[in-house]
Amino acid sequence: GQNIDQPTEMTATEGAIVQINCTYQTSGFNGLFWYQQHAGEAPTFLSYNVLDGLEEKGRFSSFLSRSKGYSYLLLKELQMKDSASYLCAVRDAGANNLFFGTGTRLTVIP
Amino acid sequence: DADVTQTPRNRITKTGKRIMLECSQTKGHDRMYWYRQDPGLGLRLIYYSFDVKDINKGEISDGYSVSRQAQAKFSLSLESAIPNQTALYFCATSGGEGLAVGAFFGQGTRLTVV
Repeated sequence: GQNIDQPTEMTATEGAIVQINCTYQTSGFNGLFWYQQHAGEAPTFLSYNVLDGLEEKGRFSSFLSRSKGYSYLLLKELQMKDSASYLCAVRDAGANNLFFGTGTRLTVIP
Repeated sequence: DADVTQTPRNRITKTGKRIMLECSQTKGHDRMYWYRQDPGLGLRLIYYSFDVKDINKGEISDGYSVSRQAQAKFSLSLESAIPNQTALYFCATSGGEGLAVGAFFGQGTRLTVV
């Protein structure tokens, strides 16, 4: 089975840095994904980690430690438009399906 | 045009009615999925299909059925809708180069059962 945990809500200030954590327990692992979802809209892909370490893409970075079952998404130079939910998802090693955490709703304040 | 298109975008239906949600894709992906999203519960997998002849149950398939009419089309049916099926439903696809993206999502169908 899959168990994916992330904080429900976070608040951060415009221009600051925020780290959103995700811990997981899975019966098989074939990659971890972060998605951004604005209210009522489709999730959109942000990052993918399958090996340990940091992946950087502009203002967004994602880190994975497979031995610890841990990932984080780092958002730098926060902008108001970054207010959204951030979904952590793990792909299982069998059917290659995605299993999602409940999402972290980030509010960016001026 | 969107790569993954869902119809309808919004629907209100009565308890006991049969309803079908449709999904079509232009990405050429073999894999298609139906998820539902509820506040506080995240996205949960209802059904998935790896090709036209392959249908699999996900985490929460009870009360739902699906049909993969073609590689590009995957529909979700609620045979007899009930209020706790009120949710935001997403269709998604994956395959090929998209495996590093996980899945591409449609814009969602907001279903309300009264």
